[in-house]
Amino acid sequence: DVKVTQSSRYLVKRTGEKVFLECVQDMDHENMFWYRQDPGLGLRLIYFSYDVKMKEKGDIPEGYSVSREKKERFSLILESASTNQTSMYLCASSFFLGGTDTQYFGPGTRLTVL
Amino acid sequence: AQTVTQSQPEMSVQEAETVTLSCTYDTSESDYYLFWYKQPPSRQMILVIRQEAYKQQNATENRFSVNFQKAAKSFSLKISDSQLGDAAMYFCAYRINTNAGKSTFGDGTTLTVKP
Repeated sequence: DVKVTQSSRYLVKRTGEKVFLECVQDMDHENMFWYRQDPGLGLRLIYFSYDVKMKEKGDIPEGYSVSREKKERFSLILESASTNQTSMYLCASSFFLGGTDTQYFGPGTRLTVL
Repeated sequence: AQTVTQSQPEMSVQEAETVTLSCTYDTSESDYYLFWYKQPPSRQMILVIRQEAYKQQNATENRFSVNFQKAAKSFSLKISDSQLGDAAMYFCAYRINTNAGKSTFGDGTTLTVKP
């Protein structure tokens, strides 16, 4: 079974702090994604990556950056956390080829910025 | 830009009965895929069912089936013989058939199953 893990289930940070959210997958997937999930807004794509050191902006990249130094690991970085970044963050991974690939999701990190 | 609309924020169904969740999408593409994902409370999101746009036959997975109307850009999910474990938030998603393409998700429908 595919396993996607995220470094923390719950995280509390203060405004202005630098925040790292880590995601690791064990199925050798090329694609990795970061979403944020907010009530009434569904899932919104922040960034995705289809190869090591490659990244593409999603729909809401402002205030975020990402890093993919190894194929299995995709990090989301909040350079200076703000209260409007309080949210549930979901990581996902999938194979590169074709459109039928299923996305496999991690358990999510609920981030609170005070 | 592609959009996915789920017009029912909340739905409820009696155990053992059938419920249909609605999804519409907007796209100018002809080759794409559609998905329904399930997110149980405090658990990971998982795929329920997928549909290739070039296939006319509706996808089926056990108690889950879809009604895919390509011309109407409609993709509803039918859950038959509902079970308590079906209670979850359901997301409809769209993806163009291209390598490394991104998916667009709807806002989700919360399904409650009453015993």
